[in-house]
Amino acid sequence: AQSVTQLDSHVSVSEGTPVLLRCNYSSSYSPSLFWYVQHPNKGLQLLLKYTSAATLVKGINGFEAEFKKSETSFHLTKPSAHMSDAAEYFCVVTSNSGYSTLTFGKGTMLLVSP
Amino acid sequence: EAQVTQNPRYLITVTGKKLTVTCSQNMNHEYMSWYRQDPGLGLRQIYYSMNVEVTDKGDVPEGYKVSRKEKRNFPLILESPSPNQTSLYFCASSPDSLGPYNSPLHFGNGTRLTVT
Repeated sequence: AQSVTQLDSHVSVSEGTPVLLRCNYSSSYSPSLFWYVQHPNKGLQLLLKYTSAATLVKGINGFEAEFKKSETSFHLTKPSAHMSDAAEYFCVVTSNSGYSTLTFGKGTMLLVSP
Repeated sequence: EAQVTQNPRYLITVTGKKLTVTCSQNMNHEYMSWYRQDPGLGLRQIYYSMNVEVTDKGDVPEGYKVSRKEKRNFPLILESPSPNQTSLYFCASSPDSLGPYNSPLHFGNGTRLTVT
């Protein structure tokens, strides 16, 4: 069984300040973890993924995430928010249990103010 | 351009009237999947397919059917839609037949369905 918890439904930041979106997961098997972003009226787009290689993963648009097994966390960060980062972000877990399914978090809406 | 195409983008229908939402990908991907997105619930998987003629239930399959007769197409069928199936639906594909463990999903732009 696997699950993912996004700890904040909404996060508000000012442009130019750091972004932190928190995600905790549980998985009975070796997990793969992803962050996807969804802009209004669009499908989801992959930001970055962790698949048991380096624990610090760099993605597109300056985002990165660190896999911490001891804390079962995969938090998403960005040093400096841009207005275009305003969107909904989903943390996603899958596993090599043989099942081809993903489990999505409920999403975190990132609001960026000027 | 590599893409996943869903049609229609918007659909309003009445309870009990059968409908099909089409999904097509031009990337020769093995894996395809349908999700529904509801406020506060994130995305939930309806059905997935690891290859032609191979489909399996996701987390919320009740009231839906799928078929995978060709690699590129994966239609979602609602035989008798009900108001609780009002939602935003996404089709997605992945090159890996085992699904998205190593390879990311490519999403369509969504179909907003309203059942009255």
